[in-house]
Amino acid sequence: GENVEQHPSTLSVQEGDSAVIKCTYSDSASNYFPWYKQELGKRPQLIIDIRSNVGEKKDQRIAVTLNKTAKHFSLHITETQPEDSAVYFCAANGYGGTSYDKVIFGPGTSLSVIP
Amino acid sequence: GAVVSQHPSWVICKSGTSVKIECRSLDFQATTMFWYRQFPKQSLMLMATSNEGSKATYEQGVEKDKFLINHASLTLSTLTVTSAHPEDSSFYICSARKAGETQYFGPGTRLLVL
Repeated sequence: GENVEQHPSTLSVQEGDSAVIKCTYSDSASNYFPWYKQELGKRPQLIIDIRSNVGEKKDQRIAVTLNKTAKHFSLHITETQPEDSAVYFCAANGYGGTSYDKVIFGPGTSLSVIP
Repeated sequence: GAVVSQHPSWVICKSGTSVKIECRSLDFQATTMFWYRQFPKQSLMLMATSNEGSKATYEQGVEKDKFLINHASLTLSTLTVTSAHPEDSSFYICSARKAGETQYFGPGTRLLVL
């Protein structure tokens, strides 16, 4: 089944700098890659997603890139702010028995933005 | 919108008792809901996929007789932790899938088994 790896596990950046989180996946048939932000004690919030028919997607300060050949995808946050501090999870869809309807999460990256 | 609720938000129970957690999609119909468990400082681990009107599909290593899932309607799925033990203490989160692949998460239920 699908396996998602994520690096780094922790990341500290100065306010205003960029943050990059990288993920790899194992199932070449996966075609949906969401990113979630989770603050302490709260539910994961979808921040951006990308489908396999595009290589890059951007939403204000957040961008995601996808390399299907290498099975890599990355999250880029520019002009980081203290409120960006949270745990970020990458994910990929996996085969659930009848279709690729389940989402498998990476281990997470704890991002700290230092004022 | 896409709002998912969970009830209760937290529960404390004695070892050996059963606990039921509800997951509801409030403003959309969800043919598929998912149940995750999250231990402190760890990722979300998929436990099972719940499909309306059919049996849940459990992930490898998840005991189906211990974690009973029922998806009785397009807006409600329930997870029952039977004969709970302290090692079942965790944060349980459900999600509901709207059109396409996007999943929306409930606020989670924190379970503490004494």
